[in-house]
Amino acid sequence: DAGVTQSPTHLIKTRGQQVTLRCSPKSGHDTVSWYQQALGQGPQFIFQYYEEEERQRGNFPDRFSGHQFPNYSSELNVNALLLGDSALYLCASSLFQDAATQYFGPGTRLLVL
Amino acid sequence: AQSVTQLDSQVPVFEEAPVELRCNYSSSVSVYLFWYVQYPNQGLQLLLKYLSGSTLVKGINGFEAEFNKSQTSFHLRKPSVHISDTAEYFCAVSGDFGNEKLTFGTGTRLTIIP
Repeated sequence: DAGVTQSPTHLIKTRGQQVTLRCSPKSGHDTVSWYQQALGQGPQFIFQYYEEEERQRGNFPDRFSGHQFPNYSSELNVNALLLGDSALYLCASSLFQDAATQYFGPGTRLLVL
Repeated sequence: AQSVTQLDSQVPVFEEAPVELRCNYSSSVSVYLFWYVQYPNQGLQLLLKYLSGSTLVKGINGFEAEFNKSQTSFHLRKPSVHISDTAEYFCAVSGDFGNEKLTFGTGTRLTIIP
């Protein structure tokens, strides 16, 4: 049973660039959430997707956007990168009926120079 | 709004000794509570969860936690730790249907001393 997978594992970008991160949910899951984890901090909720719609959003600027595809996989896009966007980006999947119980992927580590 | 406080940023414990990692939460509505573990350079692994029912919850790797509504706490315990338990532990809270985003504490680094 495949767990949550994310790609790429690491990424280096420069300020002002745009980045796309990808996530495939655990088999059978239909809901995807994204979190940002800065070094030494707990993860911060970015947004959650279900049925290709953004269902909830945290306190992140519009530079952060997402998408969910019909096969439930998801993308996180960040435009106009800032140095402060350097972090571990975590994807979590769940069942809509139990969306609070979330299973996390290994994350994508983004470094903005 | 919900918040989580993990009172200890670092906890050193001798191998085979018991451990308790403390977590307090704040919420105006019913909550669900979780503990996750994060090993170096990895994602988060779900240890256990409290959704409803018995206030004593058992999880993986011999961990358990007790939900105490009156003290708004959800402390994590293990009777005997092993070297392999060295990791960062995060307590998290979420709301119920329609508000299932997880709000995390700042984490507790558990270090096992041989």
